[in-house]
This record gives sequence, C-alpha cells and structure tokens, in this order.
Amino acid sequence: DAGVIQSPRHEVTEMGQEVTLRCKPISGHDYLFWYRQTMMRGLELLIYFNNNVPIDDSGMPEDRFSAKMPNASFSTLKIQPSEPRDSAVYFCASSLQGGGAFFGQGTRLTVV
Amino acid sequence: QQQVKQSPQSLIVQKGGIPIINCAYENTAFDYFPWYQQFPGKGPALLIAIRPDVSEKKEGRFTISFNKSAKQFSLHIMDSQPGDSATYFCAARSPGNNRKLIWGLGTSLAVNP
Repeated sequence: DAGVIQSPRHEVTEMGQEVTLRCKPISGHDYLFWYRQTMMRGLELLIYFNNNVPIDDSGMPEDRFSAKMPNASFSTLKIQPSEPRDSAVYFCASSLQGGGAFFGQGTRLTVV
Repeated sequence: QQQVKQSPQSLIVQKGGIPIINCAYENTAFDYFPWYQQFPGKGPALLIAIRPDVSEKKEGRFTISFNKSAKQFSLHIMDSQPGDSATYFCAARSPGNNRKLIWGLGTSLAVNP
C-alpha cells in the first residue's frame, strides 16, 4: 500500500484566496483525521471522520475551515478565505478501529 | 489545558546512550498510549504503543515503560544512533468510539556521533 497520500505537498497562496487540501487514506481504513502542526501550538486535531461521517469537528478553528469526505477513499480540507495565520503544515492520517494512525507527508501551506 | 505533559522539550545524547522521554497524563480513562517519531519534512510515524494492562513493551531498541498508579509512561531508546535524531511525541486515547488522540508537545532528540 502507498500509505496516506496528500496533495499538494506545498501550497503558497495569497490572503483571501480559497485553498483546498486533498487526502487519500489507506485502503480499508475507516477513520480519517485532519491535523494542523505549527511550532507554537504543536499538533492540533481539526476534525475526524468515521466511515465518511464527521464525528468531532471541535478543533476546526473557524467557519472559514470546512472538511468533507464524499467517499471512503477521498477527503478535502478547505479554507475560504485564507489568512496568513493559517500558514502551517496540514496532515491527514487514517486508521483502523483500535489501531494507530498512519500519517501522510503533509501539505505545507503558506498564506502571504 | 494540556492533558498529556511531555518532558524534556529537547534532549542531546551521545551515540550509544539511552535517551528517556517522559509523559504524564491526567485522565485515568485513557487506555491506549502510542509514541510517534517525526523526521523533518515528514509526517509523524507510529513507533510503538502500549495499553495499561502491561508495564513494559519492547520493540527492537525502543521500550515503553508504563506506571499506571503514577499515571506516567516513558520511552527509552537503547543504543541510540544518529539516525534516531527526530522529534518524538507521546499521545493518549480514551476507550470506546472516541478516537481522538491527546498529544504531548514533543521532544526534539539529537544523537551526536
């Protein structure tokens, strides 16, 4: 298996623009997580899904952030409009019930 | 509110040394305690994990020691190598349907040759 696949790996955008991050989880995994990592705040869980259904979105910072999982093999995290303080590395991870989470390589987002 | 406290923030050891990273938790309901290793530019990778019904678990050069009464667990790296230089995160999770991991803030480990 190729592992969790995220795209793009790097994204530079201007403030106010819409940003969409993409994730393909490991086949067969039923949980999908979106994290944000910064030096100041460490790893923050934004939202997670179970069987494509959002379970806990309490970590989503604002209404500017939204996430979808239309099927078991694809998820998106959208930021609209983006702001400089959204600059971070965004990770997607997937897991099987009871098991550890496997992370993708991350998307480094820079909002200028 | 930090439910999982990790220390030290950074650590430097010589090759062959045994770095020890400690974590303390507050919620006695936690029943799964993983450690993750992260190299620069990469996502965290699951290294080893333990459940509270055992006091120690070894996988290769990595050992988790677990003290349920003290609500603490630690990672030991035997015969450390420069390739072990990375950031290490501990985490904890409650049982049941909530799959949310509570993370420590990380320990940056440098192993000098």
